[in-house]
Amino acid sequence: AQKITQTQPGMFVQEKEAVTLDCTYDTSDPSYGLFWYKQPSSGEMIFLIYQGSYDQQNATEGRYSLNFQKARKSANLVISASQLGDSAMYFCAMRERDGYALNFGKGTSLLVTP
Amino acid sequence: DADVTQTPRNRITKTGKRIMLECSQTKGHDRMYWYRQDPGLGLRLIYYSFDVKDINKGEISDGYSVSRQAQAKFSLSLESAIPNQTALYFCATSSGPVGANVLTFGAGSRLTVL
Repeated sequence: AQKITQTQPGMFVQEKEAVTLDCTYDTSDPSYGLFWYKQPSSGEMIFLIYQGSYDQQNATEGRYSLNFQKARKSANLVISASQLGDSAMYFCAMRERDGYALNFGKGTSLLVTP
Repeated sequence: DADVTQTPRNRITKTGKRIMLECSQTKGHDRMYWYRQDPGLGLRLIYYSFDVKDINKGEISDGYSVSRQAQAKFSLSLESAIPNQTALYFCATSSGPVGANVLTFGAGSRLTVL
């Protein structure tokens, strides 16, 4: 069963606007971690942000923030002040208790327009 | 030099051939992983290793084998390649506590099986 769901195959946003990429997850473990990765057209996987299930505050890293709603099992990525270089595939991933490997969603393609 | 190096970066082969994809890392990480990426499917875990003597199957291990020759080296083999193994393959590494187990990815190996 799919544990990470990204319902938006593609998104458009205008430069300098904020954008939210959706991610919902499915787990019965109380201890888990949520990650977002960026994959530009060059193909490499770049780690953006991490949220632990016990973290009280939403994670932030520069222009990236993770909107963590535990009861809804959602972990949306918010990119503020979009830049042309933000155009890429974005993957949400989850680590469950005792596990080190990540389960990835299918990704969302983001295009930032001038 | 990259922290996680994959060779070859691109390979075209024929059905039935044996293929080895190699991964080496200079990060000193104990955990290593092989993922496969297909368009629209995200990344799926093939095998992972916690140390030289510990190899584990992932979600899609059928048709693949791995070898952890040293802490720094983790190879993926396709004993008899078939066209549906055409994909982008990523090696990744991690270390430290299970919490924020951030994976560091190699640049990927694009394999085409004709």
